[in-house]
Amino acid sequence: ETGVTQTPRHLVMGMTNKKSLKCEQHLGHNAMYWYKQSAKKPLELMFVYSLEERVENNSVPSRFSPECPNSSHLFLHLHTLQPEDSALYLCASSQESSINEQFFGPGTRLTVL
Amino acid sequence: GQSLEQPSEVTAVEGAIVQINCTYQTSGFYGLSWYQQHDGGAPTFLSYNALDGLEETGRFSSFLSRSDSYGYLLLQELQMKDSASYFCAVRYNFNKFYFGSGTKLNVKP
Repeated sequence: ETGVTQTPRHLVMGMTNKKSLKCEQHLGHNAMYWYKQSAKKPLELMFVYSLEERVENNSVPSRFSPECPNSSHLFLHLHTLQPEDSALYLCASSQESSINEQFFGPGTRLTVL
Repeated sequence: GQSLEQPSEVTAVEGAIVQINCTYQTSGFYGLSWYQQHDGGAPTFLSYNALDGLEETGRFSSFLSRSDSYGYLLLQELQMKDSASYFCAVRYNFNKFYFGSGTKLNVKP
């Protein structure tokens, strides 16, 4: 148990669907992250929320939209995705003062048809 | 931009010592982290080096040379459960991270 939970664990969606991924951390952290992990590719940082400030990777398409309503919850809203967006989406959290030590959730395995 | 190089795969026997190297290129460098990920599992933090030198945590040690843009993870007394992928990651511009492609470690009896 890592203290970071993600739902759903598996998601299959069509290209015209809208869905959301949810992440919740129970560690009292104040920074949260979304990562994308594709087969045979490096883990890619998508978004960072740190002290309610959002930092984004400029290469992430606008069809991915994050939301962080408080320091414990993080969402990733998905719309009009492409098949190449199929991947494992990992959420992580850390203390803002110790962002080098991140705690990861189990991930959501997303398949876009 | 950022780049990281680490070997794609390493094989070693139980009880041995293995070193996984990582070379990087980045601006705004803050430090180098190491993570372990078992198949089907989430990455788990192992260590972080911000300064030159060796950090030891049990059977695992991590080394950093900022002048050489180089680091390594040293695993001693290998166990079968150490079979996993190991990622190095650079922290840059304070709150950004760039991960390597990972090194798959196979531990054989």
